[in-house]
Amino acid sequence: DSGVTQTPKHLITATGQRVTLRCSPRSGDLSVYWYQQSLDQGLQFLIQYYNGEERAKGNILERFSAQQFPDLHSELNLSSLELGDSALYFCASSVGSDSGNTIYFGEGSWLTVV
Amino acid sequence: DAKTTQPPSMDCAEGRAANLPCNHSTISGNEYVYWYRQIHSQGPQYIIHGLKNNETNEMASLIITEDRKSSTLILPHATLRDTAVYYCIVRVGGGGYSTLTFGKGTMLLVSP
Repeated sequence: DSGVTQTPKHLITATGQRVTLRCSPRSGDLSVYWYQQSLDQGLQFLIQYYNGEERAKGNILERFSAQQFPDLHSELNLSSLELGDSALYFCASSVGSDSGNTIYFGEGSWLTVV
Repeated sequence: DAKTTQPPSMDCAEGRAANLPCNHSTISGNEYVYWYRQIHSQGPQYIIHGLKNNETNEMASLIITEDRKSSTLILPHATLRDTAVYYCIVRVGGGGYSTLTFGKGTMLLVSP
């Protein structure tokens, strides 16, 4: 158990809909990361927040957005969903944002768009 | 981030040491080498990381060559539960942010 909690574990929704994935980082961790893993793309970095502020952006679509709240939990919002958005979405956290700070991953949220 | 090269797959007999190589010939002085593994769609699991010196923890040992252009992850006594995809990642630092860029990794199959 990494200490990173993600909800829901599984989600099935229809095309065009909007969903929110939630992440609680490990106690004391200020930095949160979101990753997407699909069958054909592997693990792709989406976005990073540190203490409520966006720090880095990866391959995140404009239909996707995220935020980190004052209590440090984070949400990833996916809108106008398409079949290709079906994937595993991982949240991860670390105490800081430097390269020596280990990043720990949650167990992921399975999103199926039908 | 510096790119890494790993063999796509490796086999290991249960109880033997598994030695997973990684080449990172373009690594810079402030870049860490991280190893993660992923067991069938579970969340990536942190194994170990290092900068210049060899490192050991309860899971594995990390051997980094003196020129830092390659490294080896050693699982001393592989078990069936070590079957997973192993990722070697060179992580750049600085600028107030640092993420992990995953490649394709090495699929390690541990057999009885």
